Amino acid sequence: GENVEQHPSTLSVQEGDSAVIKCTYSDSASNYFPWYKQELGKRPQLIIDIRSNVGEKKDQRIAVTLNKTAKHFSLHITETQPEDSAVYFCAASIISNSGYALNFGKGTSLLVTP
Amino acid sequence: NAGVTQTPKFRVLKTGQSMTLLCAQDMNHEYMYWYRQDPGMGLRLIHYSVGEGTTAKGEVPDGYNVSRLKKQNFLLGLESAAPSQTSVYFCASSYTGTRQPQHFGDGTRLSIL
Repeated sequence: GENVEQHPSTLSVQEGDSAVIKCTYSDSASNYFPWYKQELGKRPQLIIDIRSNVGEKKDQRIAVTLNKTAKHFSLHITETQPEDSAVYFCAASIISNSGYALNFGKGTSLLVTP
Repeated sequence: NAGVTQTPKFRVLKTGQSMTLLCAQDMNHEYMYWYRQDPGMGLRLIHYSVGEGTTAKGEVPDGYNVSRLKKQNFLLGLESAAPSQTSVYFCASSYTGTRQPQHFGDGTRLSIL
């Protein structure tokens, strides 16, 4: 399938600092880009998503930007808190003759230290 | 409203045994998905379904079969389990396919000895 590359694989920041996670995708037909947060032993949970008709979306301390020309999108977390520590996954939509699905990046393990 | 429910939560199998993982959703979602999650590999799509009676292959379908006889249920089968299938399996569903978020179950941790 089409690849989604996610960087960095691990990220350590101090409480209060910002964290940025970047993803690139290869399918120019991708039009939906969700971000999931997964705490240890838990299910992935949607934290924010963006559709291809907008370039930026913000929800409190979390924002996502999308550059369709360059085929990359990023997650920005400001004023990080210890409870932000988790694995974050980006994803990009793929469409085939069989239907619609998501391709996920390999994840970023974020550690926020007090 | 329970969302997406997976059973069982844990299972240990011996090589060559078979089993079925059940996913049930009560949100009237059309699309359902099965993923496996391995350390450092993210979520990889095994099979998915775009509606009752339909199934399609994902990125890693070999060794697995699926069925969607009822809209609310999506079954994942392992006919002859292999140690390489040791993983955490997640089911997800979405209302429609296009630009809709997927909602995940709590996962099934499967170990094959």
